[in-house]
Amino acid sequence: DAKTTQPPSMDCAEGRAANLPCNHSTISGNEYVYWYRQIHSQGPQYIIHGLKNNETNEMASLIITEDRKSSTLILPHATLRDTAVYYCIVRVTGRRALTFGSGTRLQVQP
Amino acid sequence: DTEVTQTPKHLVMGMTNKKSLKCEQHMGHRAMYWYKQKAKKPPELMFVYSYEKLSINESVPSRFSPECPNSSLLNLHLHALQPEDSALYLCASSHTASGVGEQFFGPGTRLTVL
Repeated sequence: DAKTTQPPSMDCAEGRAANLPCNHSTISGNEYVYWYRQIHSQGPQYIIHGLKNNETNEMASLIITEDRKSSTLILPHATLRDTAVYYCIVRVTGRRALTFGSGTRLQVQP
Repeated sequence: DTEVTQTPKHLVMGMTNKKSLKCEQHMGHRAMYWYKQKAKKPPELMFVYSYEKLSINESVPSRFSPECPNSSLLNLHLHALQPEDSALYLCASSHTASGVGEQFFGPGTRLTVL
């Protein structure tokens, strides 16, 4: 799986959009970008995934650059419950097991 | 039911004890996983079971012994553990071990080895 680089921590004001960046410059054509988050002392939770196109679901939006070397997870209206570690993971189609990087610790401030 | 359950929530054991962690899912998933997470670190893959057969062992020491008795259950048998094995043990499942899609994680078992 391609290596990902994320900032170690970010702050966001409650009610504002949280934009979490991820670099994956060595991504190959058959690798998907996945985002998971882990709220303190809980199991990781799936957020969203994509290959080339931007994706949106009820939790977040995923913006992937045209060259696929980076992506941004957008939480449109962050709440205190969104405080968590967010993991960006690049994974080949044939292997569903996850290799977690160090992630970004997002702190939503009131 | 989109839940993965794990028991016990907490476990304290001595280095000579034998204990087991249990994981259960009723989503019809045919792939199940064990991950280990040390404090302030990301989860690390230990084992993958696909259709009740062990398909990946990430060079885990033999004091950890996984078992998949049926498609809904996954156990992790522990024997002669070391204090450095203290961690959060996470179970996950997915429809299959390949392809596209999410993994569902349980809440974990927090293990302390004395």
